[in-house]
Amino acid sequence: DAKTTQPPSMDCAEGRAANLPCNHSTISGNEYVYWYRQIHSQGPQYIIHGLKNNETNEMASLIITEDRKSSTLILPHATLRDTAVYYCIVRVRGSARQLTFGSGTQLTVLP
Amino acid sequence: SAVISQKPSRDICQRGTSLTIQCQVDSQVTMMFWYRQQPGQSLTLIATANQGSEATYESGFVIDKFPISRPNLTFSTLTVSNMSPEDSSIYLCSAVAAAAAEQYFGPGTRLTVT
Repeated sequence: DAKTTQPPSMDCAEGRAANLPCNHSTISGNEYVYWYRQIHSQGPQYIIHGLKNNETNEMASLIITEDRKSSTLILPHATLRDTAVYYCIVRVRGSARQLTFGSGTQLTVLP
Repeated sequence: SAVISQKPSRDICQRGTSLTIQCQVDSQVTMMFWYRQQPGQSLTLIATANQGSEATYESGFVIDKFPISRPNLTFSTLTVSNMSPEDSSIYLCSAVAAAAAEQYFGPGTRLTVT
């Protein structure tokens, strides 16, 4: 699976959009971009995934650049409960292999 | 999505003892995994729990230390044997429902070894 690079930490004001970047310059054509988050002392929670088109669900939006070498997770109106470590993971969908976690980005939403 | 529960949620154990962690999924899943998360660190895969056969361990993890069972498609156990303080971690169960499905995680078991 391709390696990802994320900033170690970010702050965001409550009610504003949180934009979390991820670099995956070695991504292969059949690899998807997945985002998970882990709120303190809980198990990781699936957020969203995409291949090359932008994706949106009830939790977030995922913007993938045209060359697919980077992506941005957008939380449109961050709340205090969105404070968590966010993991960007690249892998082949349907692969029998498990997710491999990097160090992620600690997002702190400030009141 | 699959709902995963773990028991116990936390425990404090003495050095040299063993603890068995149970993982129950609310639906049949194709794959189950066990992860470890040491304090302040990211998740590290321990092993893939295979139904009806021996688990597949990642480098650095061995069956004698972390025996795993998976008797059916919805249940697995992880035992942490002969514990030392270095085993103090959160242990997480994870599952995939189907080949193209997402991977889900249990709430974790927080283990403290004294």
